[in-house]
Amino acid sequence: DAGVIQSPRHEVTEMGQEVTLRCKPISGHNSLFWYRQTMMRGLELLIYFNNNVPIDDSGMPEDRFSAKMPNASFSTLKIQPSEPRDSAVYFCASTFRSGGAGGTDTQYFGPGTRLTVL
Amino acid sequence: SQQGEEDPQALSIQEGENATMNCSYKTSINNLQWYRQNSGRGLVHLILIRSNEREKHSGRLRVTLDTSKKSSSLLITASRAADTASYFCATAKYNNNDMRFGAGTRLTVKP
Repeated sequence: DAGVIQSPRHEVTEMGQEVTLRCKPISGHNSLFWYRQTMMRGLELLIYFNNNVPIDDSGMPEDRFSAKMPNASFSTLKIQPSEPRDSAVYFCASTFRSGGAGGTDTQYFGPGTRLTVL
Repeated sequence: SQQGEEDPQALSIQEGENATMNCSYKTSINNLQWYRQNSGRGLVHLILIRSNEREKHSGRLRVTLDTSKKSSSLLITASRAADTASYFCATAKYNNNDMRFGAGTRLTVKP
């Protein structure tokens, strides 16, 4: 299995530009998570999907951020317009949720996208 | 908050020594997981311990969980230079689907 695939690996853009980050989860996984990691704030959960449906987007910092999951094998995180404070490493993770009331299963992380907004 | 907090923030040891990292959290949980992150890479799952378990082993890793104290520890025995990384604990709240990560412990193992 190729693991979680993220693209691009690095993105440098100018303030005000639209940025789209992409993620392909592991085949067969039914939950997908977007995280942001910075030195100041650590690893923050932005949003997660179960069966392609957004469940909790309370971590999305502002309306400038949006995420979609049109199908089980693809998700995007979009920032429009981007700002310098959005500079961070963005991780996508996926898991297979076993159902019931059992809680969270192991998450598999992608390599991340390092975003720099000038 | 549900988020775990690791202690210490940084740890430096010699190869062959044991490394112990601690994690504390504030709310009841369903399980607690430990992850490792090498510089510039994504997180890699190490071990999961459920709330009804007290200790778990995986190779050179030993994890304990004390739900009465809301704390967990990760012990790496006979450390190697390759163990140099940041280690994070993550808690999952019962009947909730999201995990919250702590700030991590930066472990340096000197050869």
